[in-house]
Amino acid sequence: DAKTTQPPSMDCAEGRAANLPCNHSTISGNEYVYWYRQIHSQGPQYIIHGLKNNETNEMASLIITEDRKSSTLILPHATLRDTAVYYCIVRVVAGAGSYQLTFGKGTKLSVIP
Amino acid sequence: KAGVTQTPRYLIKTRGQQVTLSCSPISGHRSVSWYQQTPGQGLQFLFEYFSETQRNKGNFPGRFSGRQFSNSRSEMNVSTLELGDSALYLCASSLLELMAGSPLHFGNGTRLTVT
Repeated sequence: DAKTTQPPSMDCAEGRAANLPCNHSTISGNEYVYWYRQIHSQGPQYIIHGLKNNETNEMASLIITEDRKSSTLILPHATLRDTAVYYCIVRVVAGAGSYQLTFGKGTKLSVIP
Repeated sequence: KAGVTQTPRYLIKTRGQQVTLSCSPISGHRSVSWYQQTPGQGLQFLFEYFSETQRNKGNFPGRFSGRQFSNSRSEMNVSTLELGDSALYLCASSLLELMAGSPLHFGNGTRLTVT
């Protein structure tokens, strides 16, 4: 089953790039990697997802290694509002034709002024 | 476009009671999935409904059940509440079936406290 491993916490200086790693070494060839973040007392917010190629949107960039066993979420210019818990998630096969999502513990990113 | 709406926002129940939580997805979204979040276990997948049918299920006991209506609104029911059911219950909607390439949009959850 594909599972994810993330560092429990990271600090980043305001205005600098935040690079959040995720290991998903057992991911299947057709499984997407999704990134969400959660600010206290709110539901998780979608950031970005990818399959094989690197992706970029208005929020972040996603770099996926060629073997797809790990990925890095990049927030190019971190602000104080980016302080949150960041989750890297993949879909797991739960049985014949059924799936469930597996969330790791996430990385608590603290952006420091 | 209105986001995912969950009601109620807070709920206090007593052990042994049952509870029903409601989720209204984003207009046009046909998939609704439910999650339990606790400090100890983190975010855990409960189940997913798509076009009124349960499509995927996590590892939770049968006390946890749900349904989806023809307008895609979903309800989750927990019977015979236990203290350990105290958690933030999140619902998410997506355009396609679970993680079939479309992202999830989460509500802000229902905070359930069982006493």
